[in-house]
Amino acid sequence: DGGITQSPKYLFRKEGQNVTLSCEQNLNHDAMYWYRQDPGQGLRLIYYSQIVNDFQKGDIAEGYSVSREKKESFPLTVTSAQKNPTAFYLCASRGGGGTYNEQFFGPGTRLTVL
Amino acid sequence: GENVEQHPSTLSVQEGDSAVIKCTYSDSASNYFPWYKQELGKRPQLIIDIRSNVGEKKDQRIAVTLNKTAKHFSLHITETQPEDSAVYFCAALSSGTYKYIFGTGTRLKVLA
Repeated sequence: DGGITQSPKYLFRKEGQNVTLSCEQNLNHDAMYWYRQDPGQGLRLIYYSQIVNDFQKGDIAEGYSVSREKKESFPLTVTSAQKNPTAFYLCASRGGGGTYNEQFFGPGTRLTVL
Repeated sequence: GENVEQHPSTLSVQEGDSAVIKCTYSDSASNYFPWYKQELGKRPQLIIDIRSNVGEKKDQRIAVTLNKTAKHFSLHITETQPEDSAVYFCAALSSGTYKYIFGTGTRLKVLA
């Protein structure tokens, strides 16, 4: 619901591998965000993008990369440089018009390093 | 830097009592303050929000108050029910960077 989807729901990664998490929205939102949530913790911003072909680092960008080639899509790659990637990853987009400031969250991807 | 402090980290109340969660923000450019409810393993869900030009907003059993001078905002839940049990997060949106800064969360437990 909310028009923002993430896949896969669960992802297992071997050490040393890069993995890419998908985030797609059909809400025609310009802004998109990636957050990391560790067990019992709050949300920490990894990357965000205000517009296509532009993105900025958040507070914990090291070991992650993103692209924003299309308005609907904001994939996150967890690289081997991220030493402790096991976490719950949430993608969000920010609304337009009357809901300009409201963030809509995707269902999340739970990443586990084996 | 930008920071949002949230208290308490855990809160237990009897069913029917009220619950209050408080947040303090540091960025003067913040102009939008949402509150989210997150159940275990699920995505955060927006439950109420307030803009900087408003001092109070209410939606049934939930209300939010904002004191811009003190940089404080609070969530008030009245007549709590067991289904209110969850983790609640406050956040502040900077009008300059459009970054949302989240509090560390409050685990609310409503005892039947």
